[in-house]
Amino acid sequence: AQSVTQPDIHITVSEGASLELRCNYSYGATPYLFWYVQSPGQGLQLLLKYFSGDTLVQGIKGFEAEFKRSQSSFNLRKPSVHWSDAAEYFCAVGQGFGNEKLTFGTGTRLTIIP
Amino acid sequence: DGGITQSPKYLFRKEGQNVTLSCEQNLNHDAMYWYRQDPGQGLRLIYYSQIVNDFQKGDIAEGYSVSREKKESFPLTVTSAQKNPTAFYLCASSISGQETQYFGPGTRLLVL
Repeated sequence: AQSVTQPDIHITVSEGASLELRCNYSYGATPYLFWYVQSPGQGLQLLLKYFSGDTLVQGIKGFEAEFKRSQSSFNLRKPSVHWSDAAEYFCAVGQGFGNEKLTFGTGTRLTIIP
Repeated sequence: DGGITQSPKYLFRKEGQNVTLSCEQNLNHDAMYWYRQDPGQGLRLIYYSQIVNDFQKGDIAEGYSVSREKKESFPLTVTSAQKNPTAFYLCASSISGQETQYFGPGTRLLVL
């Protein structure tokens, strides 16, 4: 069975600093990988996704993520965070082949300090 | 605007009561999902449906029931058998055969 690990429960970053959120997955084949963001009391918004091809994926709001098969990782990055980036971030993995079920990590809460 | 709506935003349940959470989408998506979110546990799949009149149990289906009579609607009933229903419930949908899921704004269920 597939699984996702987000090792950091909570990260605090200064506004304007760079950000990297970690995501490790466990799945036998090439996974379908996603990052979602959730503001307090809201639903999830898709930031970016990786299915195949270029391992560096660009998303919305200036985020990018890099798929590294050798490390089973799909870390999310942003070069300069804004106060509005404070939220909870979820990594998810899908099996592909038309199986639409996703497995989510437990999330990383991001706090931005001025 | 196309999207997913969930109602109500807040729902209160009394002991022994069944309550139903609404989820409607106008994205013309075939697949719909219900997740439960608890602090520190991420999202856990309750039920999903890939086509009208068909649905499958997810990882934590006990104490919940669903129906899928219309493509655009996938209501979730939290039954009295669910002993710890307090949580944030999220509905999602996707195009059949595609993994990208789109989420509604959620319903917070509280027990009186």
